[in-house]
Order: sequence, then structure tokens, then C-alpha cells
Amino acid sequence: QVRLQESGPGLVKPSQTLSLTCSVSGDSISSGGFFWNWIRQPAGGALEWIGRIDRGGTAKYSPSFQSRVTMSIDTSRDQLSLQLRSVTAADTATYFCARDVAAYFFDSWGQGLLVTVSS
Amino acid sequence: DIVMTQSPDSLTVSLGERATINCKSSQSVLLSSNSKNFLAWYQQKPGQPPKLLIYWASTRQSGVPDRFSGSGSGTDFTLTISGLQAEDVAVYYCHQYYRAPTFGQGTKVEI
Repeated sequence: QVRLQESGPGLVKPSQTLSLTCSVSGDSISSGGFFWNWIRQPAGGALEWIGRIDRGGTAKYSPSFQSRVTMSIDTSRDQLSLQLRSVTAADTATYFCARDVAAYFFDSWGQGLLVTVSS
Repeated sequence: DIVMTQSPDSLTVSLGERATINCKSSQSVLLSSNSKNFLAWYQQKPGQPPKLLIYWASTRQSGVPDRFSGSGSGTDFTLTISGLQAEDVAVYYCHQYYRAPTFGQGTKVEI
């Protein structure tokens, strides 16, 4: 059974870059048929999709984040990464990595990492 | 973006009774060529990530109790919990994957 685990700083200053890593275990990140996503959720709020990346490194981003997000994948380490630039307090949220089946539904999720943007 | 609107925002149901959650999409999520509705449902308990319950609008994920069922097509969908159990207290989200993924605002189910 695949497991996902987010890691990174829990506190980021405004205007800086939020950088998170998701480590995948139990299955290879290179397994065919899956995409790897970042999704966030403000406290008490709804889920918001940030983007996805495939094993070849091709990424697709939500238009809401297109201008300031970069995702990457390291198949040798079974990790994916998220960089979100120029953060503000509105970016304070729990960030999840999740696997989707062929760009469809999300069948596996990490536990999530709370990131607070504050000086 | 396809906007997903759930109703109600919250509901209180007695143990053993039925809970019904509705989800409406701003445009159809039915792909005519394969007759599949690109709609999933998730359950999220406090401090936990969402858990996939239903996909293709009505297909139950492996291991999900059969008291959970999904129905609907096009723009209108329903998640039904038949015989609510204490462990079903959670927030439930619908999700469309017909276009760039979007989620409903969530429905909180309490006892």
C-alpha cells in the first residue's frame, strides 16, 4: 500500500517561497497510471487543488497558482516537491500531497502539513 | 472552473437513520462517449486527510462499507449514508475531475 508523507518548514515569512517535499513509499513514484498532486486546505475550509505532475516531470497547474508555483519530481528518491513563491497570509493552510488515478480521483493522501505564513 | 455546490452545509442525523448529501456542478461532468460521470466523494475526519469513498459517481472504493452509496448524473449527485454509525461523523466533499479538479465546500455530518 502506497504511503505519502509531506515535510518542510511549518512557518514561512510573507513574500518568501514555500518549499515542501512529499516522500512516497510502498510503491514507486514511477508506477504507471498515476499522477502526483498538491492540494491545500485552510483551517475549517474547503480543499483547493494546486497542481499535478507525472513521473516524466510534466506538470499541470491550477490557473489560480500558475504564475507562482513550480512542481518537480525525483524518481530516484521517490519524492515530489512544491515551491510556491511570494506567499501571503492567505497561503496559510494544510498542504497535502495526493496520488490520483490517471488524472481522475485521488486514492491516496499524505497526512498533511500545516504551513503558516507569518512574520 | 467547474463550481461544485453542496447542500446542506451541515446536517444532524440520529444513529441508524439516513443521511443524504447533495452536490451540484455548474456544468455537466458526464462524458457522453463512455457514459461516465467524473465525480467522486470523500470523507474527512478531524485531523485526518480526506478518504476516497466513491468514484465515477457510484463506484464504492475497496473497503468502504456498503451503507455508503452514490447516485446521480450530469450536474446533480447524491451521497447517501444508510444507517448512520457514530464513526461516520465527518465532513464530506464532492470532487469533479471532468476538468481541472474542484471540490465542493463540504457538508458536516453530526449525530
